[in-house]
Amino acid sequence: QKEVEQNSGPLSVPEGAIASLNCTYSDRGSQSFFWYRQYSGKSPELIMFIYSNGDKEDGRFTAQLNKASQYVSLLIRDSQPSDSATYLCAVNRWGSQGNLIFGKGTKLSVKP
Amino acid sequence: EPEVTQTPSHQVTQMGQEVILRCVPISNHLYFYWYRQILGQKVEFLVSFYNNEISEKSEIFDDQFSVERPDGSNFTLKIRSTKLEDSAMYFCASSEALAGRTEAFFGQGTRLTVV
Repeated sequence: QKEVEQNSGPLSVPEGAIASLNCTYSDRGSQSFFWYRQYSGKSPELIMFIYSNGDKEDGRFTAQLNKASQYVSLLIRDSQPSDSATYLCAVNRWGSQGNLIFGKGTKLSVKP
Repeated sequence: EPEVTQTPSHQVTQMGQEVILRCVPISNHLYFYWYRQILGQKVEFLVSFYNNEISEKSEIFDDQFSVERPDGSNFTLKIRSTKLEDSAMYFCASSEALAGRTEAFFGQGTRLTVV
């Protein structure tokens, strides 16, 4: 069974702090890795994706990938109350025809 | 900004009835997808569609499901005989290239309630 695991939370951080969200995946054939944000009752919205080991930064967001440990994380710097949402990790296997495998998500709450 | 549009936003149907969920993907996108999310559960892949045929489908996408691109703009998901467990949010998505190599844009979803 190809799985993507996330801590469901809730993860609560104060405004301005760094939020750290983690994800592990079981399929070593996973090729690309995505972080989506989902507000309650809304559709997933892509934050960023990463393909290679290491860090990738985009504004306040940094994705980190470690394929040897089968681990991907998302750091949110200077967290804002508007960042409060569920963060979904998704992975894509080599050869897949667009099949994104999602984790259940981590609920983040940023307190003013 | 271009977006994926889904109709209706909410559909209530009786068990055993057929439903058609509609989607208008972003106009220059070539790859189309349906996902579903049961309340409180994870987003699950149903099917991907390219060049007028299914490229991949999950175990969930059994014989009661079908997809179609009836014209140049619409992409539909048909559920032939709905069951209570089909109640979920259904998301359509589209991408320029294969999702996994580029961003897949999601529509706002259709909430299907089977009673």
